[in-house]
Amino acid sequence: GAVVSQHPSWVICKSGTSVKIECRSLDFQATTMFWYRQFPKQSLMLMATSNEGSKATYEQGVEKDKFLINHASLTLSTLTVTSAHPEDSSFYICSARDPGLVQETQYFGPGTRLLVL
Amino acid sequence: QKEVEQNSGPLSVPEGAIASLNCTYSDRGSQSFFWYRQYSGKSPELIMSIYSNGDKEDGRFTAQLNKASQYVSLLIRDSQPSDSATYLCAVAPLGGYQKVTFGTGTKLQVIP
Repeated sequence: GAVVSQHPSWVICKSGTSVKIECRSLDFQATTMFWYRQFPKQSLMLMATSNEGSKATYEQGVEKDKFLINHASLTLSTLTVTSAHPEDSSFYICSARDPGLVQETQYFGPGTRLLVL
Repeated sequence: QKEVEQNSGPLSVPEGAIASLNCTYSDRGSQSFFWYRQYSGKSPELIMSIYSNGDKEDGRFTAQLNKASQYVSLLIRDSQPSDSATYLCAVAPLGGYQKVTFGTGTKLQVIP
């Protein structure tokens, strides 16, 4: 299957700082990437859909000014958590859709665990 | 009503047995169906996809789809302790850049 990477895998930061997470598709070009958040013992929650060359589409209840998404190229999307607070501590996972496949198939990155102190 | 429903479990099966995981969905327009496996602390891993009614087999895994009943299942034969994980069911409409909807997952425990 397709390979998606994320960086960093772990980040610890102080409250009030901003954190940038990168998501890369390594062996295919992804016009669409997705950002999820998962709290302990809960399922994936879609935060936003990242479209190359256009603005991201945010899910209801997700603050677009707090979670900045930039899909600068066909292989890179970034999520910036601005002014992070302890309640933003979570497991952030990106996924990318392989347009080479006819049907909708998403491949997930390994995730980024964020801890805000 | 949740769009994709799964029993949260845990589902416990002895090693070597068949594990049966079930999922129902509400959107009759769904055309693509996926099963992901998620180990604790890790991101989901795609293990099966199915698009038409019937069975699809891949090694020890068999996905079953019944669109009339809006039901999709995953069978794991000869279950191994390494199969212990949370299994996420996901559905998507046909084509385009439609978002995938995930269930909350079923936790499977394979007892040695």
